[in-house]
Amino acid sequence: AQSVTQLGSHVSVSEGALVLLRCNYSSSVPPYLFWYVQYPNQGLQLLLKYTSAATLVKGINGFEAEFKKSETSFHLTKPSAHMSDAAEYFCAVTEGNFGNEKLTFGTGTRLTIIP
Amino acid sequence: GAGVSQSPSNKVTEKGKDVELRCDPISGHTALYWYRQSLGQGLEFLIYFQGNSAPDKSGLPSDRFSAERTGGSVSTLTIQRTQQEDSAVYLCASSLAMGLAGAPYEQYFGPGTRLTVT
Repeated sequence: AQSVTQLGSHVSVSEGALVLLRCNYSSSVPPYLFWYVQYPNQGLQLLLKYTSAATLVKGINGFEAEFKKSETSFHLTKPSAHMSDAAEYFCAVTEGNFGNEKLTFGTGTRLTIIP
Repeated sequence: GAGVSQSPSNKVTEKGKDVELRCDPISGHTALYWYRQSLGQGLEFLIYFQGNSAPDKSGLPSDRFSAERTGGSVSTLTIQRTQQEDSAVYLCASSLAMGLAGAPYEQYFGPGTRLTVT
């Protein structure tokens, strides 16, 4: 069975500071991992995904994440936070089982940017 | 192009009433998923469609919940005899189908339907 743990339900960083959102996964097979962002009253938007092609994945809006198998982690980072980054972020995993790519989500991390 | 659309955006209903939630996926996307987002349970999978078939209904919380998909396109999620614990945001996502091997395609999410049961 697959699962995802996000450490820290709320993270606050100053504008211009490093953003680090933590995600650890559990999967019985090599996983596919995703980070989604959700702005208020909107659906989920894909930031980036890991599909085994490269361990360092670059996404939209300057975000990137590194897959570390030894640590079962897929932490999301951005070198310099912007006010527009304030949102809720979800890490998700799928095992891609014969076309059924249902996602298992973490509990989310709400990112607040301090001006 | 048009993204995933859902209707209604908000629905308030009385306990015990039936509700129908609609999802219009991106044209050409054969895979369709329903998820539920609630304060207590977070984001959870409900059901997966491949074309008009639903090979995975494992996330439906009770037999009051059902879903169908017609013409390989529009999907309707029906909740019968609604209860207060059904209050949540119901999200629909669609994607291209994946073959037996290979990386999954991106799921595109709709804006959701916020259901409030009073």
